[in-house]
Amino acid sequence: DQQVKQNSPSLSVQEGRISILNCDYTNSMFDYFLWYKKYPAEGPTFLISISSIKDKNEDGRFTVFLNKSAKHLSLHIVPSQPGDSAVYFCAASALYNAGGTSYGKLTFGQGTILTVHP
Amino acid sequence: DTEVTQTPKHLVMGMTNKKSLKCEQHMGHRAMYWYKQKAKKPPELMFVYSYEKLSINESVPSRFSPECPNSSLLNLHLHALQPEDSALYLCASSRVVPTNEKLFFGSGTQLSVL
Repeated sequence: DQQVKQNSPSLSVQEGRISILNCDYTNSMFDYFLWYKKYPAEGPTFLISISSIKDKNEDGRFTVFLNKSAKHLSLHIVPSQPGDSAVYFCAASALYNAGGTSYGKLTFGQGTILTVHP
Repeated sequence: DTEVTQTPKHLVMGMTNKKSLKCEQHMGHRAMYWYKQKAKKPPELMFVYSYEKLSINESVPSRFSPECPNSSLLNLHLHALQPEDSALYLCASSRVVPTNEKLFFGSGTQLSVL
């Protein structure tokens, strides 16, 4: 059961244009959402996050939008740059209890390969 | 220093070998994690350590044995692995658990089991 889905395996965009990466989730207990960026042979790098009490968070060229009723979030990159070419993972977090300990568990989507052409 | 350092970067081992993966962070984080990532799949949580104690084991086979010697170090001991265990093993840390804070990931160890 895939609780976080990124339905577009890849996205190709021209430099300077907007990149829009989408993510859907099914678990209504998720209350914190993050986007990670991953280059080949490197670990994921945190990009931007949003709490479920907000519907938008902006950081420079990156903006994340959250639509809770649709269980959908998106990452907008404007303007896109060739250096943005990477795999982008959407991740969602919920608090879980196990053995008397509560912890936040991240569930990742499948990832979207973004290619920005010069 | 916002780095999580993993060694080795690549590892090839036979099914009868014993090896260890190492992870180190000096950010003062008290939560550390092991994730496994197969090709073209998302990272999957294996273990969570909180204040040097194992908090979560996501039903990982006993041929994987984690160890947290101190607050900066995390090891993953490997023994009698199977070829299907070949994957990228990622270490991560965060300030504390429980939290919805961001995780800092290392570059990973690419493991091949022959």
